Amino acid sequence: SQKIEQNSEALNIQEGKTATLTCNYTNYSPAYLQWYRQDPGRGPVFLLLIRENEKEKRKERLKVTFDTTLKQSLFHITASQPADSATYLCALDIYNNNDMRFGAGTRLTVKP
Amino acid sequence: DGGITQSPKYLFRKEGQNVTLSCEQNLNHDAMYWYRQDPGQGLRLIYYSQIVNDFQKGDIAEGYSVSREKKESFPLTVTSAQKNPTAFYLCASSIPGGPITGELFFGEGSRLTVL
Repeated sequence: SQKIEQNSEALNIQEGKTATLTCNYTNYSPAYLQWYRQDPGRGPVFLLLIRENEKEKRKERLKVTFDTTLKQSLFHITASQPADSATYLCALDIYNNNDMRFGAGTRLTVKP
Repeated sequence: DGGITQSPKYLFRKEGQNVTLSCEQNLNHDAMYWYRQDPGQGLRLIYYSQIVNDFQKGDIAEGYSVSREKKESFPLTVTSAQKNPTAFYLCASSIPGGPITGELFFGEGSRLTVL
């Protein structure tokens, strides 16, 4: 069956450390992968997109990698802050038809 | 300001009743989507529409219906046939193949509770 898995339901880290979140998928060959942030009771907000021919993408303190051989994307937040606490979702266009499917998300808590 | 507006934000329904959730966008996006989110689960695709007067079923369409008569509007009806309708419903839009290739813009969601 086709799956999008995010490594853990929750991740707790200390302020200033780097948070690393994982998104694994099976049986797909997506042209790109997206990461979103969702705060409680709100809609997700787009953060980054990485294409299949890109190894790495950066935006401020965020970094995303995409390994199409391992079928895995890593999402890093460096110098984490309590304000980074949220749920982070990865999403793939699994049928290459612009209908995105989402992982269950990882709830990140950054403690001061 | 441009964006997506969902209403109502909270809705209570008795068993056996149909309810319609509104989604309006003024972003001039062609594509619109409905997702359902349950605690501890990711977003699951209910229906999507790439163009006016056309829509496709997603992964969990049973018990739901939609229409796309106008580009700006994509209402979702939760019918009495939906066995477990209590959930957080999210509407989104995108420009297919746009500059960010499919970035989704989400509304603030509608929380439906069946009493």
